[in-house]
Amino acid sequence: EVQLLESGGGLVQPGGSLRLSCAASGFTFPSYAMSWVRQAPGKGLEWVSGISGPGGSTYYADSVKGRFTISRDNSKNTLYLQMSSLRAEDTAVYFCAINNGILVVPAAPIEYWGQGTLVTVSS
Amino acid sequence: QSVLTQPPSASGTPGQRVTISCSGSSSNIGSNYVYWYQQLPGTAPKLVIHRNNQRPSGVPDRFSGSKSGTSASLAISGLRSEDEADYYCAAWDDSLSGPWVFGGGTKLTVL
Repeated sequence: EVQLLESGGGLVQPGGSLRLSCAASGFTFPSYAMSWVRQAPGKGLEWVSGISGPGGSTYYADSVKGRFTISRDNSKNTLYLQMSSLRAEDTAVYFCAINNGILVVPAAPIEYWGQGTLVTVSS
Repeated sequence: QSVLTQPPSASGTPGQRVTISCSGSSSNIGSNYVYWYQQLPGTAPKLVIHRNNQRPSGVPDRFSGSKSGTSASLAISGLRSEDEADYYCAAWDDSLSGPWVFGGGTKLTVL
């Protein structure tokens, strides 16, 4: 059974940093690109970042570029999102998700989602 | 402001057929596949349509998708109470460095 378990969310002050983790199981982790998608309270979905299966290619939404870093440890089946210079508008539930392919490409959409972890940026 | 445009709400009575639209541009829907996700209250999204009109295994055939030009639609026939959810369209956008874009979501209410 595919499982994605996000952790690391919480309350952080504006300008602060936080690292999210996503522990994956039930599938061959290195063979799949992964994404982070967020959802602000009462709002829609926003794709944040993606990374290829081997980890060599990364992509970011303009809203987080230069502040967030996606990475993965295929030996630990874990995906990460390092978030810095956090702003109030980064407050959201952050979902870890599996893309249907090894690369971040048009034919490899998000196929499966974790349950999410809440990040609140507030003083 | 989402890159893909959806109506904020839709509704129907049990048994009816409802359609949800998604409008984009030549750089996203016009040149790439459209995907649809269902998000039940308090849960993670679930893929219900991929590659414009394909249903993943386990998704009822009451759900169907279509695409024409720079617009797409999700249709749900034989509406049931358990279909009440938020629905999002998504597509790859060739013009953006952060390539996946979503619609703003449509809240479907079963009256």
